[in-house]
Amino acid sequence: NAGVTQTPKFQVLKTGQSMTLQCAQDMNHNSMYWYRQDPGMGLRLIYYSASEGTTDKGEVPNGYNVSRLNKREFSLRLESAAPSQTSVYFCASSAVRQGTYEQYFGPGTRLTVT
Amino acid sequence: AQSVAQPEDQVNVAEGNPLTVKCTYSVSGNPYLFWYVQYPNRGLQFLLKYITGDNLVKGSYGFEAEFNKSQTSFHLKKPSALVSDSALYFCAVRDTGATNKLIFGTGTLLAVQP
Repeated sequence: NAGVTQTPKFQVLKTGQSMTLQCAQDMNHNSMYWYRQDPGMGLRLIYYSASEGTTDKGEVPNGYNVSRLNKREFSLRLESAAPSQTSVYFCASSAVRQGTYEQYFGPGTRLTVT
Repeated sequence: AQSVAQPEDQVNVAEGNPLTVKCTYSVSGNPYLFWYVQYPNRGLQFLLKYITGDNLVKGSYGFEAEFNKSQTSFHLKKPSALVSDSALYFCAVRDTGATNKLIFGTGTLLAVQP
């Protein structure tokens, strides 16, 4: 049981390049999320997927797209990277089970855009 | 709008002394509250949560948190700090809308001096 996994762990892009961040969870959770973490700002939600086949915008969706490939996988794509997208990206998944709520995070992807 | 505030950017405490990391919240209805810890260059690790029931919640690594409805607070505490507790701590509240996302505070850096 690996929990939430993310690839890659580190990435450096030039302005204008594209890339996809991969995320997978093996906990059979319905909901998945992409957050970005910036100093002094906590974590901000980029996109989320409440269930397989659905995706919705969060607080800071501009410049990103997502795909919920199946129940396990939720990818984040930067079509044309900008320096403002330099950040640490976290994927998370969640479920409500037996009256309680749980949300678990992946290890993060540290992205630098030059 | 729901929100979480962590009023202290940094908390300094000597090893062996008690520590408190503060968190206040603003939500409609009953809150689901969480504490996560982030060690350097790592992902977020779940510490504890309050859903309902006893106002004193015990979590991992000897941490506990007290839910205070009248003061809308959920402060994180530990009776005796360790140098290894030095990390970034995030308070979060679950969104009561359809997303189930977590709304995070800006984080508090805990520095425990030997």
